Amino acid sequence: AQSVTQLGSHVSVSEGALVLLRCNYSSSVPPYLFWYVQYPNQGLQLLLKYTSAATLVKGINGFEAEFKKSETSFHLTKPSAHMSDAAEYFCAVSEKTGANNLFFGTGTRLTVIP
Amino acid sequence: DAGVIQSPRHEVTEMGQEVTLRCKPISGHNSLFWYRQTMMRGLELLIYFNNNVPIDDSGMPEDRFSAKMPNASFSTLKIQPSEPRDSAVYFCASSGGYLGQPQHFGDGTRLSIL
Repeated sequence: AQSVTQLGSHVSVSEGALVLLRCNYSSSVPPYLFWYVQYPNQGLQLLLKYTSAATLVKGINGFEAEFKKSETSFHLTKPSAHMSDAAEYFCAVSEKTGANNLFFGTGTRLTVIP
Repeated sequence: DAGVIQSPRHEVTEMGQEVTLRCKPISGHNSLFWYRQTMMRGLELLIYFNNNVPIDDSGMPEDRFSAKMPNASFSTLKIQPSEPRDSAVYFCASSGGYLGQPQHFGDGTRLSIL
């Protein structure tokens, strides 16, 4: 079965600094990959997805992620953090065959320091 | 377009009572997922349906939990009898049902069992 590892349950950055949230997957066959964001008292919202087109994927709110097959990674970045980016971020994978459910990482809580 | 609609948003009840959570998926989506989120266990998939048929209920904690999807536009998650350890936020999500399709989440039901 697929598994997803998010390194760092908490990440703090200063406002205006680079945001880097890490995600690694376990499959030898590159899966579909997703990043979701969850704001307090809300459901998960799709930020971006990778479905085997371009390896650099741009999402909403200035976020982007790069798929690196050699590193089995799909790290999320944003050049300049904004206070409104404070939230929890989840990486998820879906296999390319079989069931269409998602496997979620344990999440990374991003704090933005003014 | 309307997103995934969950009701109620909040539920407080005493242990032993029956609890019913409701979900209306996005029109045209044929996969529906129920999740539970807690601080201790994170986001857990409870059950999911394809075309109204339960596909995988291995995440359902025990026989006190049951889920139904009588038609393409409605699903329920029932807990009977409820216990304090069932307190959590329960999310419903839907997707187009094809591999690589993202899931769209509702805002969740915050359940407190006293």
